[in-house]
Order: sequence, then C-alpha cells, then structure tokens
Amino acid sequence: EPEVTQTPSHQVTQMGQEVILRCVPISNHLYFYWYRQILGQKVEFLVSFYNNEISEKSEIFDDQFSVERPDGSNFTLKIRSTKLEDSAMYFCASSATEPNQPQHFGDGTRLSIL
Amino acid sequence: GENVEQHPSTLSVQEGDSAVIKCTYSDSASNYFPWYKQELGKGPQLIIDIRSNVGEKKDQRIAVTLNKTAKHFSLHITETQPEDSAVYFCAATSSGGYQKVTFGTGTKLQVIP
Repeated sequence: EPEVTQTPSHQVTQMGQEVILRCVPISNHLYFYWYRQILGQKVEFLVSFYNNEISEKSEIFDDQFSVERPDGSNFTLKIRSTKLEDSAMYFCASSATEPNQPQHFGDGTRLSIL
Repeated sequence: GENVEQHPSTLSVQEGDSAVIKCTYSDSASNYFPWYKQELGKGPQLIIDIRSNVGEKKDQRIAVTLNKTAKHFSLHITETQPEDSAVYFCAATSSGGYQKVTFGTGTKLQVIP
C-alpha cells in the first residue's frame, strides 16, 4: 500500500537555527498538509497546500514557517529560526483529489530544539 | 473554528470486551469524520470514517455512529484484542478536499490480556 514517507525521523537542532523537514507524499495525491503534535497532546493542523500554494494555515503557522514543493515528489516544511517551543512531532499528510478523501499520514519527524 | 471534544482520555478493558469512545464537534458545517489509531512512534493511521449523510458504518470489529442533530459521534470496538491497544483520535472536517482536519484530544486504550 502506498505510504507517506518523512525524513529524518529525528532532528536535533540548536535554538535559532533553520531546519527543513522533508516529506514524500503518496504519488497521485494533490493535497498536502503539515501537522504538529507536542508530546502527549493532540495533533494540530499547521498548513494545507494545493496547486503550489497554501490553501489554509493555522495561527501556529507564523512567518517563521514556510512550505515548498521543490519538485514533483517532495514537500518540505522550513522553520527559519527555531524556538524551544517548536519541539514536537511533525507529521506530513496527503490526500487525493476528491473532497473529503482521507488524509494519509507519515510516521513523523521528531524535532528537538536545544 | 471547529472544536472536537473526546472522552474518555484513558480506557482500560479486558480482552474480549467492548470499548466505546465518544466525541462531540461544534461546527455544523463539518461533514466528514475520520478516526485515527496512533501506535507508539508512528503517525496516525486511518481506521474508519463516516460522512454526514450516513448514521452508522461498520467494518469488522469496528463501528462508528453519527448523530448530526446532537453533533455526537462514537467509535465502538468489539471483541477487543491486545493489538487494539493504542491512542485513538476522532476528527472532523468540513467539505473541501483541502480542508484541515481538527483532531480530538485522544483516548489511550489499553486492552488487558
């Protein structure tokens, strides 16, 4: 079964540094998402992306965050100047073209800010 | 925006018993309700979903019910097995394939052998 893959599985970064989290969505999917899960808490929406532009973003997704689809297969989340509170699991998801198709999640990248 | 409440936060059942997890949502525009299972160190995995034009859906030992009027939906797992132990999240989203999914707070289910 096709799956969403994320790299790296664990990223340790010094506060203030830039970090890029990478995702390869399912190949025929056109909608892409990033979510965040702080340890022990619920999964929170960050941003959705379609047709090479952001379609929706949450209040968490401030100017420090950006997303990009640099080629036909990768989808990235960049945090420009990391803060301690950015430490969390970051999940990428993708869904097919029709409305309300399920979003399929990767296994996440654990981001630890020191 | 949408708010999804989920209860209980933890649930322990004996193997073979049933487990029920209940959720409420606030936005009447929500019309798609997926349920996700999250195992330790893994991402959320879709286990079943229901749309607002359906009141109940079943898939083997798992069933979901939806009451649109009350804005309630529930997950029922029958004949629980140890491998059902995980964190379960209910979620809601409104129409549009690019709409965000709003998750509940999660239920940690422990099935005791």
